[in-house]
Amino acid sequence: GAVVSQHPSWVICKSGTSVKIECRSLDFQATTMFWYRQFPKQSLMLMATSNEGSKATYEQGVEKDKFLINHASLTLSTLTVTSAHPEDSSFYICSARLSSYNSPLHFGNGTRLTVT
Amino acid sequence: AQSVTQPDIHITVSEGASLELRCNYSYGATPYLFWYVQSPGQGLQLLQKYFSGDTLVQGIKGFEAEFKRSQSSFNLRKPSVHWSDAAEYFCAVGETGTASKLTFGTGTRLQVTL
Repeated sequence: GAVVSQHPSWVICKSGTSVKIECRSLDFQATTMFWYRQFPKQSLMLMATSNEGSKATYEQGVEKDKFLINHASLTLSTLTVTSAHPEDSSFYICSARLSSYNSPLHFGNGTRLTVT
Repeated sequence: AQSVTQPDIHITVSEGASLELRCNYSYGATPYLFWYVQSPGQGLQLLQKYFSGDTLVQGIKGFEAEFKRSQSSFNLRKPSVHWSDAAEYFCAVGETGTASKLTFGTGTRLQVTL
């Protein structure tokens, strides 16, 4: 159990376009999901906390107008990278946890975004 | 603020040899600690978690981890490494009282030679 599915697994887009990444909890409901960004050969940096039915909470330094997060249901959160630029190229990973307070995070397989 | 240090960027071991990956954390209260493993181009898989209780915890794939409060450490060990264990290993600490909003270390890349 506790499977998190992320789609697409990779995407290439042109500068100036927008890209949407989906994160789904397949066999559980997740009121909270988390979006991380990972640069090559580096660790994961938390970008934002996605809350079902309310606005996302962004970490310091993350542009909320550039990285739009929507958590429309208990099983789906989306991250839209708007007006993408080459510096937005990265590996984006979402995670979710079961409703239990101490449940560990389960991660999706990530999305490799390349902006040309 | 919490932080995690993984002193070893890259470790190479022979298949069948023992392994220890180091992790030190900085946190003001009782930490929630985790080890995750990441294969190239993949997401993260949970290996170990520690919330409280026994300081030696058993995880999946034959790994174990030991929490030492006096040393602020949560080292990961495996008695006999398999070639399939080659991957990136991340230690993480959870925010106060929760397993969410993890702060990750910079990772240790494990290479296994045959």
